[in-house]
Amino acid sequence: DAMVIQNPRYQVTQFGKPVTLSCSQTLNHNVMYWYQQKSSQAPKLLFHYYDKDFNNEADTPDNFQSRRPNTSFCFLDIRSPGLGDAAMYLCATSRVGYQETQYFGPGTRLLVL
Amino acid sequence: AQRVTQPEKLLSVFKGAPVELKCNYSYSGSPELFWYVQYSRQRLQLLLRHISRESIKGFTADLNKGETSFHLKKPFAQEEDSAMYYCALRSGNTPLVFGKGTRLSVIA
Repeated sequence: DAMVIQNPRYQVTQFGKPVTLSCSQTLNHNVMYWYQQKSSQAPKLLFHYYDKDFNNEADTPDNFQSRRPNTSFCFLDIRSPGLGDAAMYLCATSRVGYQETQYFGPGTRLLVL
Repeated sequence: AQRVTQPEKLLSVFKGAPVELKCNYSYSGSPELFWYVQYSRQRLQLLLRHISRESIKGFTADLNKGETSFHLKKPFAQEEDSAMYYCALRSGNTPLVFGKGTRLSVIA
């Protein structure tokens, strides 16, 4: 009965090779978030969707893009991964707005070779 | 700018001892504060939020606006409390800002 699902759990890619991480949710939540978390650091918000409205954080590199084709799915695209993009990527959802509790997925650990 | 500081990366306590995980924040308005927890091999999940003023798994946290703190406390630590704890802040209509986290290790 997982509510926020991330696939794959581990992803290995090559330097410069585009990679897509997936997130799906069964909660029918309006808001979906992508966070990047590097070792011993806080989860860092990359962007989020409020329904179909995309909200990019000011310091998110252009290399990172996102798509939300429907309520249930959200994708994180890294166009040209660098070694510095190796991290845990967390997807989260919240029901209506930012004041609601966020539900996190298990994360996808990205390794860039 | 909003900022959340958790000064301790690692906190080790003996089972049955009191626990206090520190969290300080910087924000001039009226923030909403949270504690999230991540147990080993599990996903990040909400532990408690200050507006609820509730005790979850024996943990409590009081928002002290004068000291801009939201420390997490438990009178008697249990082994199953060992986890990574993140303090987080939200203000107005903005998403969460997380601290770097504190790893709590409860020693039997």
